[in-house]
Amino acid sequence: ETGVTQTPRHLVMGMTNKKSLKCEQHLGHNAMYWYKQSAKKPLELMFVYNFKEQTENNSVPSRFSPECPNSSHLFLHLHTLQPEDSALYLCASSQDDLRVTTGELFFGEGSRLTVL
Amino acid sequence: GQNIDQPTEMTATEGAIVQINCTYQTSGFNGLFWYQQHAGEAPTFLSYNVLDGLEEKGRFSSFLSRSKGYSYLLLKELQMKDSASYLCASMIYNQGGKLIFGQGTELSVKP
Repeated sequence: ETGVTQTPRHLVMGMTNKKSLKCEQHLGHNAMYWYKQSAKKPLELMFVYNFKEQTENNSVPSRFSPECPNSSHLFLHLHTLQPEDSALYLCASSQDDLRVTTGELFFGEGSRLTVL
Repeated sequence: GQNIDQPTEMTATEGAIVQINCTYQTSGFNGLFWYQQHAGEAPTFLSYNVLDGLEEKGRFSSFLSRSKGYSYLLLKELQMKDSASYLCASMIYNQGGKLIFGQGTELSVKP
């Protein structure tokens, strides 16, 4: 138990569906992240939020839309995805922005997404 | 560009010592992290090096040489539960502060 909870753990969707991934952290952290993990590839940073403000968008396609209503919750809204978007999507949090803190990230267990 | 290299997979024997190497070429470097990820689980923090040298934490040690862009994770007295993926990550400071990960090293510990 890392203090970061992701739902759903598994999701199968068609290319025309709209779905959302949810992340909640119970650690009192101020920064939250979305990472994509594909087989045999490095973890790819997608988005960074610090105090609810987006501070990083790593050239992510617009079919992925993040939302951070408060420092404890982070969503990733998905629509018109492609089969190559199938991957494990990991949420993480840190006490503060990595320019301030030493950078230990606390990860959730991920949402395994399959796009048919 | 940012580049981090580590072996894709390694095999070792229970009770032995294994060293997992990581080389990096990253601008704005501000520290090197190692994470452990068991299959189907979240990555968990193992170590952080910002200065050259060896950091020891129980059975695990991590080394950093900033001049060589090189780090290693040393695992002693290997146990079966150490079978996992080990992720090397470089912290980049000058791009808003973020972690850039290597592809991970899949370690299999055999009896």
